[in-house]
Amino acid sequence: EVQLVQPGAEVKKPGESLRISCQGSGYSFTSYWIAWVRQMPGKGLEWMGIIYPRDSDTRYSPSFQGQVTMSVDGSISTAYLQWTSLEASDSAMYYCARQAGIHNIDYWGQGTLVTVSS
Amino acid sequence: QSALTQPRSVSGSPGRSVTISCTGTSSDVGGYDYVSWYQQHPGKPPRLLIYDVTKRPSGVPDRFSGSKSGNTASLTISGLQAEDEADYYCCSYAGDYSLDFGGGTKLTVL
Repeated sequence: EVQLVQPGAEVKKPGESLRISCQGSGYSFTSYWIAWVRQMPGKGLEWMGIIYPRDSDTRYSPSFQGQVTMSVDGSISTAYLQWTSLEASDSAMYYCARQAGIHNIDYWGQGTLVTVSS
Repeated sequence: QSALTQPRSVSGSPGRSVTISCTGTSSDVGGYDYVSWYQQHPGKPPRLLIYDVTKRPSGVPDRFSGSKSGNTASLTISGLQAEDEADYYCCSYAGDYSLDFGGGTKLTVL
């Protein structure tokens, strides 16, 4: 069974850094792209970008380029999404997902709710 | 503003059919046969219903079907059931490894 496991929630203050994780299991982790998708409260889904675990090739949506950093550690089947200086506007649910064949997303993690508040 | 345009809400009675549209451009929906649809219940992650315009993953009832004409894709749900009440999102490949999502449609089962 394909699973993508994410921590449930993170609470941070503005200006702090954060790295959230996504651990895959039940499939060959290094053979599929991992996508990150943002969902702001009460809003729709936004594709942030993807990373290929085999060689760390990364593609960012122009909307998120320079705002976040994606990385991966294939040896532990884990992808990461990182911020260096959080803002209140970064508060959202962040999903990792498997982007199959780059054309669509087939499996989703449960999401990490990031709350940035002073 | 989302790249793909969906109606904000649709509704239908149990047992009837509803269709949700998703309009893009020749750079996404019209340019590739890679439209997918997702169902999201409150507090849950999205679930894949349709991929490659018309294909259903195993476990998805055949009440859910997809189609495309030009720059507009559609999801049809037949035999509406109470558990179909959810948000529905379309998604299209947009070239250069990127995906575009629609703004989402809230389905109410009357």
